[in-house]
Amino acid sequence: AQSVTQPDIHITVSEGASLELRCNYSYGATPYLFWYVQSPGQGLQLLLKYFSGDTLVQGIKGFEAEFKRSQSSFNLRKPSVHWSDAAEYFCAVGAVAGKSTFGDGTTLTVKP
Amino acid sequence: DTGVSQDPRHKITKRGQNVTFRCDPISEHNRLYWYRQTLGQGPEFLTYFQNEAQLEKSRLLSDRFSAERPKGSFSTLEIQRTEQGDSAMYLCASTPGGPTDTQYFGPGTRLTVL
Repeated sequence: AQSVTQPDIHITVSEGASLELRCNYSYGATPYLFWYVQSPGQGLQLLLKYFSGDTLVQGIKGFEAEFKRSQSSFNLRKPSVHWSDAAEYFCAVGAVAGKSTFGDGTTLTVKP
Repeated sequence: DTGVSQDPRHKITKRGQNVTFRCDPISEHNRLYWYRQTLGQGPEFLTYFQNEAQLEKSRLLSDRFSAERPKGSFSTLEIQRTEQGDSAMYLCASTPGGPTDTQYFGPGTRLTVL
């Protein structure tokens, strides 16, 4: 069975500082991996996805993520956080049928 | 392309009542998914449709839950005899239909069962 673990429930960073959100997955085959962002009252928005190829993927809003098969990880990074990045972030692993299994999310707070 | 829409956005009901939610996917998206999200957790898969066919149902979907997509366009999710444990955000997503397609999510319907 597939599963996703996001070890950090809540992270606080200062505006302008770098950010890394951790994601570990369990999946029996080559995973399809996703990062989503959810702001209050908003639906989930896809930041980036990995299916194959280059293990460093670029997404929207200046985010990137690196797939490391040996560590079963897909960590999300951003070099300089903006106040508008405060939100909840979800990592997900997808099956061939397209349905996804999500982690429980990491809430990001940005200090001015 | 107006995105995935869900109606209503909020629903408050009393325990034991039936409720129905509607999801309108992006036009021409063949696959439609329902997820449930409770506070402090990520979305959990409930069911999905390929056109009008319901291809998979999670064991989370008890007998009180039923979903339909009668013409392969919009979908409804009905919960009968609601319980307080049904209180959650119900999310709908759609994709064109390929296995690696991006899921586009709607804003969700927040259900509160009193």
